[in-house]
Amino acid sequence: GDSVTQMEGPVTLSEEAFLTINCTYTATGYPSLFWYVQYPGEGLQLLLKATKADDKGSNKGFEATYRKETTSFHLEKGSVQVSDSAVYFCALSATFRGQFYFGTGTSLTVIP
Amino acid sequence: KAGVTQTPRYLIKTRGQQVTLSCSPISGHRSVSWYQQTPGQGLQFLFEYFSETQRNKGNFPGRFSGRQFSNSRSEMNVSTLELGDSALYLCASSSASPLAGGPTEQFFGPGTRLTVL
Repeated sequence: GDSVTQMEGPVTLSEEAFLTINCTYTATGYPSLFWYVQYPGEGLQLLLKATKADDKGSNKGFEATYRKETTSFHLEKGSVQVSDSAVYFCALSATFRGQFYFGTGTSLTVIP
Repeated sequence: KAGVTQTPRYLIKTRGQQVTLSCSPISGHRSVSWYQQTPGQGLQFLFEYFSETQRNKGNFPGRFSGRQFSNSRSEMNVSTLELGDSALYLCASSSASPLAGGPTEQFFGPGTRLTVL
């Protein structure tokens, strides 16, 4: 079945450090891939998405490239800020139906 | 456009009781999904409704049920509450449709924090 495997956390980085959170997926068909972010006490917010192979999603300095050959969608940011501290979820949706598959989430803490 | 709203935001119940949570999707969205989020299990899919019909269901016992109304608002009900049902329950809406031709993102509400004592 469809699934997402996400890098275990927690991750702690100093401000301005480079961030990578790994995400790989298993899916039949041609999934769309997403990164969501959850700040403390809030619901999930869409951070970025990519709907086909080689697409790059980007938002707020974060980027992820849909790599079909490696079935990956790693999240990167060149210089993290304290305000980026949150839990990040990788997700896929393989059909037009409403079911999403989420990774387990990676907690990121950025220290000044 | 208003976002997804969930009521109540916080709820405290005791074991054996039942609870009903409500979700109002973004205007125009006909798909509503429910998730349970706990520190140990992460984000787990409960079920998804589209046009008042349940389209997908996760691996939860029959104590968890839901429904969707003609205005797309959705409720989920948990009967005979157990301590392990304590969680953040998230609702998400999307415009996903059998006619849309492709997956669309989900928009999440802030969640209802349920505590079972």
